[in-house]
Amino acid sequence: SQKIEQNSEALNIQEGKTATLTCNYTNYSPAYLQWYRQDPGRGPVFLLLIRENEKEKRKERLKVTFDTTLKQSLFHITASQPADSATYLCALESGGYQKVTFGTGTKLQVIP
Amino acid sequence: DAGITQSPRHKVTETGTPVTLRCHQTENHRYMYWYRQDPGHGLRLIHYSYGVKDTDKGEVSDGYSVSRSKTEDFLLTLESATSSQTSVYFCAISESQGDYEQYFGPGTRLTVT
Repeated sequence: SQKIEQNSEALNIQEGKTATLTCNYTNYSPAYLQWYRQDPGRGPVFLLLIRENEKEKRKERLKVTFDTTLKQSLFHITASQPADSATYLCALESGGYQKVTFGTGTKLQVIP
Repeated sequence: DAGITQSPRHKVTETGTPVTLRCHQTENHRYMYWYRQDPGHGLRLIHYSYGVKDTDKGEVSDGYSVSRSKTEDFLLTLESATSSQTSVYFCAISESQGDYEQYFGPGTRLTVT
């Protein structure tokens, strides 16, 4: 069955550095992959989508890569700020009606 | 939050009682979803709707039913609540264009005692 893995341990980085989060998946070939941000007590908020035929997508300080051979997506936040501290979820397209399957998320803490 | 509300926001109920959670949108989006979020499991899809009166099961649908009689409302019912259904429930909406982003409601924290 489809399996999505994100680092379950929290990622702590220094302000100004680049944060890199990983999303690995198995037993599936999604047409697209999304990244969401979730703050405590709130619903997830969409950040970026990358399609299977795209290698890289950028939006301001965010960069996402998608390697369909490795079955992996990397999510980068450059020049990280304390306000970037949150849990980041990857979500894979899972079969019509815009359904996606979410990973368990990685908690990012940016230290001033 | 993009014109999507959930009610109630918090609820405590006893095992065996029926519970209905409501999701209301003002965006006229076609697709609506119910998820539950639990530590260690992340967000899991319970049921989804692809139009009025068109619904289908998700990954964890046992013990849950849904109804969508109007575009704007999607109801999730626990026919007989169990302690394993204690969770945070999120509703989401989406449209079939653009980046297919899902917009989430603020969530409902349900405790079954």
